[in-house]
Amino acid sequence: QVQVQESGPGLVKPSETLSLTCTVSGGSISSDYWNWIRQAPGKGLEWIGYMDHSGFDNYNPSLKSRVTISLDMSKNEVSLKLNSATAADTAVYYCVRERGFCRDNVCRNWFDPWGQGTLVTVSS
Amino acid sequence: DIQMTQSPSSLSASVGDTVTITCRASQGVGSNLNWYQHKPGEGPKVLIYGASSSQSGVPVRFRGSGSGTDFVLTISSLQPEDFATYFCQQSYVAPYTFGRGTKVEIK
Repeated sequence: QVQVQESGPGLVKPSETLSLTCTVSGGSISSDYWNWIRQAPGKGLEWIGYMDHSGFDNYNPSLKSRVTISLDMSKNEVSLKLNSATAADTAVYYCVRERGFCRDNVCRNWFDPWGQGTLVTVSS
Repeated sequence: DIQMTQSPSSLSASVGDTVTITCRASQGVGSNLNWYQHKPGEGPKVLIYGASSSQSGVPVRFRGSGSGTDFVLTISSLQPEDFATYFCQQSYVAPYTFGRGTKVEIK
């Protein structure tokens, strides 16, 4: 059973880079899409983006200019970097695998599993 | 972006009750709608994918229905472990978007 665990600094200064790592166990990151999703205090969930092992990626246009997701196949880890952090980036960040299939021209995809999430506060 | 409107934002119910949560998309998403359960301190867990398909291991009391823009999650015979927050998510097109969630509380 695949499990994911986020880790990284809980406090980031404004204008610095927010960096998080997701350690995946029980399965390989060489399959599926690997996503980051966040939830700011009192707000809804926001999809940040994904990457797969071939380097195919897709980012939320609202964050695209500042975000990079990468995969380290040797460590089975997924990382997130968000440049020029501001207080608006304060949130719980989740690492999430995207699963899916296509059958008879019908495709389905969903998020499973999710990590526990890690709170990152952007403050001086 | 596709906006997902979920209602109600919260509800109170008793063990054994049947509860209904609705999710409306700002444009058609076919059947590309997923439902998740989220408990404090844990990561969300998928209950329903493709609007009506149950994830393996999910109790049969959780049922999803709908297509296009209107979707419903029904929880029959509410159990103590079902008190949590539920949210919908469209997987039709990126950027993927989520409902704001429905908190199911004990009456």
